[in-house]
Amino acid sequence: GAVVSQHPSWVICKSGTSVKIECRSLDFQATTMFWYRQFPKQSLMLMATSNEGSKATYEQGVEKDKFLINHASLTLSTLTVTSAHPEDSSFYICSATDTSGYEQYFGPGTRLTVT
Amino acid sequence: GQQLNQSPQSMFIQEGEDVSMNCTSSSIFNTWLWYKQDPGEGPVLLIALYKAGELTSNGRLTAQFGITRKDSFLNISASIPSDVGIYFCAGIMNTGFQKLVFGTGTRLLVSP
Repeated sequence: GAVVSQHPSWVICKSGTSVKIECRSLDFQATTMFWYRQFPKQSLMLMATSNEGSKATYEQGVEKDKFLINHASLTLSTLTVTSAHPEDSSFYICSATDTSGYEQYFGPGTRLTVT
Repeated sequence: GQQLNQSPQSMFIQEGEDVSMNCTSSSIFNTWLWYKQDPGEGPVLLIALYKAGELTSNGRLTAQFGITRKDSFLNISASIPSDVGIYFCAGIMNTGFQKLVFGTGTRLLVSP
């Protein structure tokens, strides 16, 4: 149980375009979802926390107008990278907690390459 | 953002050797977690620690929550090639809210 999926697993887009990444909890209801960014050979850095039905809380230094997060249901959160630039190329990982909030389950990640 | 300091940064060992890595912070954490990340994948939880001084095992893995609540270590005994990967510690400051602060990572390579 407690499986989190991400789609797509990788995406290449042109500079200036927008790309949407989906994060789904497959077998549990995710009250809270988290979005992380991981640059090559670096650690995971939290970008934002989202609760179902409310606005996301962004970490300091993360542009909320550039990284749009929608947590419209208890099983789906989306991250949209707007007007992507090559420096946005990274590995984006989501995670989710269930109603107990006890453990955070991670998705497999999405590799974004902006050309 | 805040990060926890892990050491060593990388290790290259022979199969069968034991491995030890640690994680330190200037802040107090109420929960310590250890994750393993394989290339191109998300992290997978190995061990969770909830009390200062707690020592917990999961197969060949043993981890301890430091008494000061500012550090933790992970030991892997009798390493095998599939132990290769990046190991991250992570801390949670406030119980009940799962905001994780990750460590800088330890890259482990095991030669057969």
